[in-house]
Amino acid sequence: DGGITQSPKYLFRKEGQNVTLSCEQNLNHDAMYWYRQDPGQGLRLIYYSQIVNDFQKGDIAEGYSVSREKKESFPLTVTSAQKNPTAFYLCASSGDRYSNTEAFFGQGTRLTVV
Amino acid sequence: AQTVTQSQPEMSVQEAETVTLSCTYDTSESDYYLFWYKQPPSRQMILVIRQEAYKQQNATENRFSVNFQKAAKSFSLKISDSQLGDAAMYFCAYRSEYSGGGADGLTFGKGTHLIIQP
Repeated sequence: DGGITQSPKYLFRKEGQNVTLSCEQNLNHDAMYWYRQDPGQGLRLIYYSQIVNDFQKGDIAEGYSVSREKKESFPLTVTSAQKNPTAFYLCASSGDRYSNTEAFFGQGTRLTVV
Repeated sequence: AQTVTQSQPEMSVQEAETVTLSCTYDTSESDYYLFWYKQPPSRQMILVIRQEAYKQQNATENRFSVNFQKAAKSFSLKISDSQLGDAAMYFCAYRSEYSGGGADGLTFGKGTHLIIQP
């Protein structure tokens, strides 16, 4: 079945540590996104990538980094510079500009700072 | 920049009744897409319905329909014959047609928590 897989489902980070969240899709989508979800805040865009080896900052990119070395993969690193990383993180993908598809989401990763 | 506003943090409805969730948005663009997503307790985001701005006809998907008022920038979701499985967070979202076909992502409202009373 085609879809988006995020791992791990739960992640714990110590103060000062970098952690990487995985996102893999087999939908052959060009565009991929990372969103952060906090209670009462909806979803906010962290980074997005329209094509391999290219990515752009979203609304809240500070303290995060990404890479897009393969079409299928778009990992997100939460760095120690992110002061309040505890949140639910959602990865999504969508087709290219000519297909006008909606975004498909993974099941999310819950990150907690301990 | 576009903004999406959901003015109802929480709504409650009796099972089998009809409920309408509100959404307004602000944009200077004429071509765009609007979506309603459902997020149940599992936190999986599920597309409920989509509307293309150039279409005057309101989208419908079984018990779900929208009232799209382009001039008023309003996009409400009506759920008919509410079922217990409809209980979830509902998010309204906007996608630009101009920014690489919308590949710069969706703009979301803050969500409405829908409670279904048995």
